[in-house]
Amino acid sequence: EDKVVQSPLSLVVHEGDTVTLNCSYEVTNFRSLLWYKQEKKAPTFLFMLTSSGIEKKSGRLSSILDKKELFSILNITATQTGDSAVYLCAVSTNSGYALNFGKGTSLLVTP
Amino acid sequence: DSGVTQTPKHLITATGQRVTLRCSPRSGDLSVYWYQQSLDQGLQFLIQYYNGEERAKGNILERFSAQQFPDLHSELNLSSLELGDSALYFCASSVEGMGTQYFGPGTRLLVL
Repeated sequence: EDKVVQSPLSLVVHEGDTVTLNCSYEVTNFRSLLWYKQEKKAPTFLFMLTSSGIEKKSGRLSSILDKKELFSILNITATQTGDSAVYLCAVSTNSGYALNFGKGTSLLVTP
Repeated sequence: DSGVTQTPKHLITATGQRVTLRCSPRSGDLSVYWYQQSLDQGLQFLIQYYNGEERAKGNILERFSAQQFPDLHSELNLSSLELGDSALYFCASSVEGMGTQYFGPGTRLLVL
């Protein structure tokens, strides 16, 4: 059975800290790994990673995929209170179209 | 704003009833996906449609059904509702079957 595991489940940091969120997966026929940010309601797309070792970057957020070790990390530098959210990792495979989501990491950034 | 719209935003109903949730995908997207999010299960894939045809099924109950219309909007029908069906229901869309999925704002269903 396909599995996506995120850690930690929750995290509390101070503004300005750097955080690293982890996502490991065990799936058949891996195609891509996606990161989403979920605040009040809808998950919003952050990154899609398909190739190992290539960092995707957007402002203070960056992510990298290791297809050999089957994990990805999401880094947030100089955190702000607006970064408080649940961060979801999802994996898609070549044998289906659905996204298989992890349970998420709840991040709280305190002033 | 992802460009995916869902109605209604909130729905309160009683056990045994039937409801219909509606989704309009982003302009140009042919694929629509339905997901259920509950506190204990996280985001779970229900079903996918591509250009009007069912493409993939996930953990969708037999009491639930969906369809995608010629104008590409989709409806998720939930019948014989139970307390455990209370959840957030999201619709997502993508350009083609395997593209990045963009999520709508969701419909929060409460079954009393």
